[in-house]
Amino acid sequence: ETGVTQSPTHLIKTRGQQVTLRCSSQSGHNTVSWYQQALGQGPQFIFQYYREEENGRGNFPPRFSGLQFPNYSSELNVNALELDDSALYLCASSLAQGYSPLHFGNGTRLTVT
Amino acid sequence: AQKITQTQPGMFVQEKEAVTLDCTYDTSDQSYGLFWYKQPSSGEMIFLIYQGSYDEQNATEGRYSLNFQKARKSANLVISASQLGDSAMYFCAMREGYAKTSYDKVIFGPGTSLSVIP
Repeated sequence: ETGVTQSPTHLIKTRGQQVTLRCSSQSGHNTVSWYQQALGQGPQFIFQYYREEENGRGNFPPRFSGLQFPNYSSELNVNALELDDSALYLCASSLAQGYSPLHFGNGTRLTVT
Repeated sequence: AQKITQTQPGMFVQEKEAVTLDCTYDTSDQSYGLFWYKQPSSGEMIFLIYQGSYDEQNATEGRYSLNFQKARKSANLVISASQLGDSAMYFCAMREGYAKTSYDKVIFGPGTSLSVIP
């Protein structure tokens, strides 16, 4: 069974730039969620994708957007980067049934300067 | 309003001893799921244990057990026989019922940092 993989591991961007983070789901999982984790805090829900459509969103502005592909992999795009976007971005996959636990990747550490 | 409360920012435990990490939650749903995750310094979130709101027995997974007290809305994690590798951040999380959200939004608490002392 292949776990959740994320790329890149680390990224440094300048304020105002755009960034794309990538995620491959665990095999057999059809739902992908993205979380932002600021230093010293718990993860905050950004959005979730199911069947290639966004089906839930947290309190994040529209400059945070995403995609899910037919193979269930996913991208998180952030436009017009701000200093406060510096965080660990976690991708999690799960099955869309019951209370299936989230399975996380190792995350992408984004630093905005 | 914060829905998951973890009142212990940091905890210390002696190796081979048991430790309890506290978690209280707030929801008006009758159906919900509770989870505990471990996050080592490497950053990966590792799923440890799950408890459903209708489960009559407390969940157990190896050295992890969940002390579920529904009326008090608490879901404490008990780690028995602590090991050095247990040193990490621990997050309590909740997935509310499908009646409230049609999607699989999981809410996390602020976490507890556990340090195991040799």
